[in-house]
Amino acid sequence: QITLKESGPTLVKPTQTLTLTCTFSGLSLSTSGVGVGWIRQPPGKALEWLALIYWDDDKRYSPSLKSRLTITKDTSKNQVVLTMTNMDPVDTATYYCAHRPSNGWFFDYWGQGTLVTVSS
Amino acid sequence: SALTQPASVSGSPGQSITISCTGTSSDVGAYNYVSWYQQHPGKAPKLMIYEVSNRPSGVSNRFSGSKSGYTASLTISGLQAEDEADYYCSSYTSSSTLVFGGGTKLTVL
Repeated sequence: QITLKESGPTLVKPTQTLTLTCTFSGLSLSTSGVGVGWIRQPPGKALEWLALIYWDDDKRYSPSLKSRLTITKDTSKNQVVLTMTNMDPVDTATYYCAHRPSNGWFFDYWGQGTLVTVSS
Repeated sequence: SALTQPASVSGSPGQSITISCTGTSSDVGAYNYVSWYQQHPGKAPKLMIYEVSNRPSGVSNRFSGSKSGYTASLTISGLQAEDEADYYCSSYTSSSTLVFGGGTKLTVL
């Protein structure tokens, strides 16, 4: 059974850097084709895809946020980390990590999400 | 930019409804990699359809997907109260990225 769980600060100040960790089980980021992605959702608004990292360490970012995002993986710890720089109140959202199956362009397992509020 | 979905749709129990998802020649129109997600309030999204028309194991066959040109569609037949939720489409893009739609709120009358 695949499970994912997001962790990180619930409150960050404007201009700070956000670091979120996705810890997963039941999947291996060493398996060909597998990926883990990040998606966010501001309160009452739509889902927004942020980034995806593949088993081979290839990475993809949302074009509109690319300059602020970095995604990395630690296969030995079963973790994927997302950092977002220069946080702003508009970045207040629930952040989800999710599993991308081999060669699939969708997410079949999602974490519960973590709400991050940006406020001074 | 985000795929275009109607903000809301509604239907009575037992009826069928269809939610559209319109993209461009760089996403929906170019690939059969459209997926659909259901999200109940306060919950994580749940995959309902992948690759335009495939249902994951455990998803009711009342849910079906299709695509024509730049528009993908999710149809729910035999509407039930538990289907009331937000629905999002997503597509792979020519930039090797993913994009979501703006979401559709389904109300079961």
